[in-house]
Amino acid sequence: DQQVKQNSPSLSVQEGRISILNCDYTNSMFDYFLWYKKYPAEGPTFLISISSIKDKNEDGRFTVFLNKSAKHLSLHIVPSQPGDSAVYFCAGNTGGFKTIFGAGTRLFVKA
Amino acid sequence: NAGVMQNPRHLVRRRGQEARLRCSPMKGHSHVYWYRQLPEEGLKFMVYLQKENIIDESGMPKERFSAEFPKEGPSILRIQQVVRGDSAAYFCASSPTQGTEAFFGQGTRLTVV
Repeated sequence: DQQVKQNSPSLSVQEGRISILNCDYTNSMFDYFLWYKKYPAEGPTFLISISSIKDKNEDGRFTVFLNKSAKHLSLHIVPSQPGDSAVYFCAGNTGGFKTIFGAGTRLFVKA
Repeated sequence: NAGVMQNPRHLVRRRGQEARLRCSPMKGHSHVYWYRQLPEEGLKFMVYLQKENIIDESGMPKERFSAEFPKEGPSILRIQQVVRGDSAAYFCASSPTQGTEAFFGQGTRLTVV
């Protein structure tokens, strides 16, 4: 039962352009969403989050948008940099008991 | 403030042996989560623990796997009689309270030969 889906396994973007990573979820009980970034051979690192009562949260180059009616969220990175190349995981959380992750999207930012 | 510490980083076990994975949460964190990542897959929730209590183990296989988080010392994920399918990266995460973002360790890569 995949409650969080990241349908694009990979994405390639030119440096300086916008990267848009998408995520769909099925569990309407999620009240908190998170994005994590992961480099090879390292653990995931927290990037940005959004509460289900909001539709946008911004932190520097990173913005997360939430569309509850469509059960969809997206992460925008502007401008993209080569150092952003990593695997990005979308996750949903219900009351903090457990966080459910998607399969991840591998982002390649070309110089 | 040291981050989440997992050891060992790499662990090789023969089929049938036991694997013990350790996780020391960040200082002040009393919530610990274990995740498993199979090759080319996402992070699968296994178990959520607080000090001396298992809160949610719905993601953990019923047999051969167990987890604990004692009052003193690290959290331990134990896999008995390992099989090749247990080969994966096991990540531990901790958070200070329930519902906040979790901080991950660097993972333990288990290889069963």
